[in-house]
Formats: sequence, structure tokens, C-alpha cells
Amino acid sequence: AQSVTQPDIHITVSEGASLELRCNYSYGATPYLFWYVQSPGQGLQLLLKYFSGDTLVQGIKGFEAEFKRSQSSFNLRKPSVHWSDAAEYFCAVGASQAGTALIFGKGTTLSVSS
Amino acid sequence: GEEVAQTPKHLVRGEGQKAKLYCAPIKGHSYVFWYQQVLKNEFKFLISFQNENVFDETGMPKERFSAKCLPNSPCSLEIQATKLEDSAVYFCASSPQVGANQPQHFGDGTRLSIL
Repeated sequence: AQSVTQPDIHITVSEGASLELRCNYSYGATPYLFWYVQSPGQGLQLLLKYFSGDTLVQGIKGFEAEFKRSQSSFNLRKPSVHWSDAAEYFCAVGASQAGTALIFGKGTTLSVSS
Repeated sequence: GEEVAQTPKHLVRGEGQKAKLYCAPIKGHSYVFWYQQVLKNEFKFLISFQNENVFDETGMPKERFSAKCLPNSPCSLEIQATKLEDSAVYFCASSPQVGANQPQHFGDGTRLSIL
């Protein structure tokens, strides 16, 4: 079955420290992978996406993610976290066909301590 | 517009009443998606449209839920005879027609509270 797993429900990171959020997927076809961020009371904002090519993708707000096919992973990283990064982060997978629904992980809550 | 616009932001209904949610996709986008987010985490896909045609309704509950996307009107999601378990945030997203690798753009959601 197609699925996305985010093993960490809640992570706390000190401001200025590095961050890695884990995402593993199970998908029958070539996956299209996404990371979205959700601030309280807001919708989902796209951080970055991977379709093909370079397995290290850069996104907005200083985030990057690396696609590792052998590990079925697409982990999100940031070298130095800011207090404003505190939010809910969702990994999602989709198919190549336009109009296909996304499958989401259950999210990781990021708290940033000073 | 440049953003997916969802109305209302918050909708309160008594159990058994009808609820209707609206979504205006980004201008020029052909696909519209509805997702239900329960308890601040899990997103459940409900239905998608390609223009005014249902594209995928595999996530749509068989009863009480219906949706439409009519030309020159916002898309709508309607829930008849609401139940407490329908309380959730309902998100609409849209994506362009051309290019399968286009991400979905999400609205800010409608929080539905069933009392």
C-alpha cells in the first residue's frame, strides 16, 4: 500500500541548531515528493519538491531535502533553525499523473527553544 | 486570483444540519482537490475535479458528502445531516493542467465545528 511515514511526532531544536526531519515513503511508481509547512491556523505552504534529477533539492526559507531511493527516504534539513520555523511539517508523495491526490504523512511538530 | 480562496474560515453547525464550504481555485488551474484534516494531523483525500468534471472520488464518503465545480462559480463541498465526526478542517487545493510535476497550492482551510 502507498504510504508516507514521519517517524517523529514532535521535535524540539534550539535556535541556531541544525534540523533534520525524517520522511519514509512506500510507493509503487516513481514518486513525486513534497514537503509542506503549516503554521497555526494557516494552510499548507510548499517548501520544496522533488520530481527527478539532482537528489538534493533546495527550497524556500533555507530548507533542503535529499531523496534517497535505496532508503525510500526524503529527509528535510536546515543548517540553522530560527524561532519562526516552529510549525507543523508534512511530507507528501504523489504520482506523475496530473490531478493525482497527495498522500500525506501524519506530520512532525517542530518546537524551537531559545 | 493568485491564491486559493476558501470561505468561510470557520463554520459552526448543529448536529444534523447542512454545511456548505466554498473554494475558488487559482485562476487558470484546472484541477481542484478537497482534503479533510482531522485532529491537526492526518490529511484525508476526499475528491478531485478536472474543471467541472469529477476526476477522482475514491476518498469521498458514500453518504452525506457531495461536491461540485461549476463553470464561473466557486467549487463547493456540501455535507448533509452533519455528524460530530465531521468536525475537521477542510482544505482545498488547486494545480495547473499542463505539467504533471506541478505542485498543489492550498487554501487556508475552513474549520467546520459540529456541536
